[in-house]
Amino acid sequence: SQQGEEDPQALSIQEGENATMNCSYKTSINNLQWYRQNSGRGLVHLILIRSNEREKHSGRLRVTLDTSKKSSSLLITASRAADTASYFCATYTGGFKTIFGAGTRLFVKA
Amino acid sequence: DAMVIQNPRYQVTQFGKPVTLSCSQTLNHNVMYWYQQKSSQAPKLLFHYYDKDFNNEADTPDNFQSRRPNTSFCFLDIRSPGLGDAAMYLCATSRDRGISNQPQHFGDGTRLSIL
Repeated sequence: SQQGEEDPQALSIQEGENATMNCSYKTSINNLQWYRQNSGRGLVHLILIRSNEREKHSGRLRVTLDTSKKSSSLLITASRAADTASYFCATYTGGFKTIFGAGTRLFVKA
Repeated sequence: DAMVIQNPRYQVTQFGKPVTLSCSQTLNHNVMYWYQQKSSQAPKLLFHYYDKDFNNEADTPDNFQSRRPNTSFCFLDIRSPGLGDAAMYLCATSRDRGISNQPQHFGDGTRLSIL
């Protein structure tokens, strides 16, 4: 079964609005990563948050991690049409395997 | 500059006809991964190489094989493609494994269609 599951599955917003995506996972993790995938392209690493961190920022991205609830959120502020993509959380539990969730499809309307 | 390059971007093959997908990297990373991604689904790890050490996922069908002749190149061979193997195949690299702060670098994938 999947380690990470994103919520919502799809999200449609207007340009300039904030977008929040959530990820829940099942087992203890070493870190959690967020990736973006534009249609027909590969995944691009956005941000990594370690299990001992609670919040991390990178440009317009803000990631939170709540290990007690086994959940993470990705906030994209002041969204742009170019942010339209699928966003995946990925959890690393040790060893060598990163497990991806099914993703949230974000549509930003101009 | 492209760092993980997959060729071809689109591949069409016939049912049962062997096909090879290729991946090259300029990052000099030790680890190379192959993922299968079907529409609106998560990438699913098929196998990975740590240097020359091949690691197969337990649920990867025998129909899928891989070769890594050197650090830069890795190939995915599908011996007898079935209709269910139509998917995007993603190659990724990471500097090392077993270290928790290792993001993966992905190519743009090869979309495989089966006629």
